[in-house]
Amino acid sequence: QVQLVESGGGLVKSGGSLRLSCAASGFTFSDYYMSWIRQAPGKGLEWISYIDNSGSTIYYADSVKGRFTISRDNAKNSLYLQMNGLSAEDTAVYYCARDKTERYPDYWGQGTLVTVSS
Amino acid sequence: QVVLTQSPSASASLGASVKLTCTLSSGHSSYAIAWHQQQPEKGPRYLMKLDSDGSHNKGDGIPDRFSGSSSGAERYLTISSLQSEDEADYYCQTWGTGFRVFGGGTKLTVL
Repeated sequence: QVQLVESGGGLVKSGGSLRLSCAASGFTFSDYYMSWIRQAPGKGLEWISYIDNSGSTIYYADSVKGRFTISRDNAKNSLYLQMNGLSAEDTAVYYCARDKTERYPDYWGQGTLVTVSS
Repeated sequence: QVVLTQSPSASASLGASVKLTCTLSSGHSSYAIAWHQQQPEKGPRYLMKLDSDGSHNKGDGIPDRFSGSSSGAERYLTISSLQSEDEADYYCQTWGTGFRVFGGGTKLTVL
């Protein structure tokens, strides 16, 4: 069965950095686009970034462009999100998701919480 | 940029049916969407992709009680025979080259 397990969240000070990881299993990771999506406390879902199956095509939401970097290692079945220049507005649960036909998530992880203190 | 609008809340009784609405912004009525469910304290779960003609493809293990339909710029999620576990937030989502966008979500209360 498809499993996505995020890790790397935690408490970080404003201006700091954090790297999130997502371990994928139960499917051929290199066949799928992958996304990061976040949810601030008590708020809705916000798409952050997606990456194509080879890692050559990447897009970001304006809110994170220039600060966050998505990447993947198909040999390790892993997705990453490097987050720099963090601010309180980045406090959220961060979800890793597998994309169906490069358009929408069809499997989600359970999320990892990132808290940025000022 | 396309915008998705959802009512913040909805409620219906146990065993009844409810129809949730997602409205596409002007000029985007042909867009397909996806519906996702988020139960309390859990990660989201994909329910279905819904096309402008009302055809839909459900995710693995999604019960027949969940169905989708479309009319113009409106996309609907109908849940019949409501159960307590259907109490959740429901999000619609669409996409284009280089972007994905979510609606604000509807909180469904099962009475």
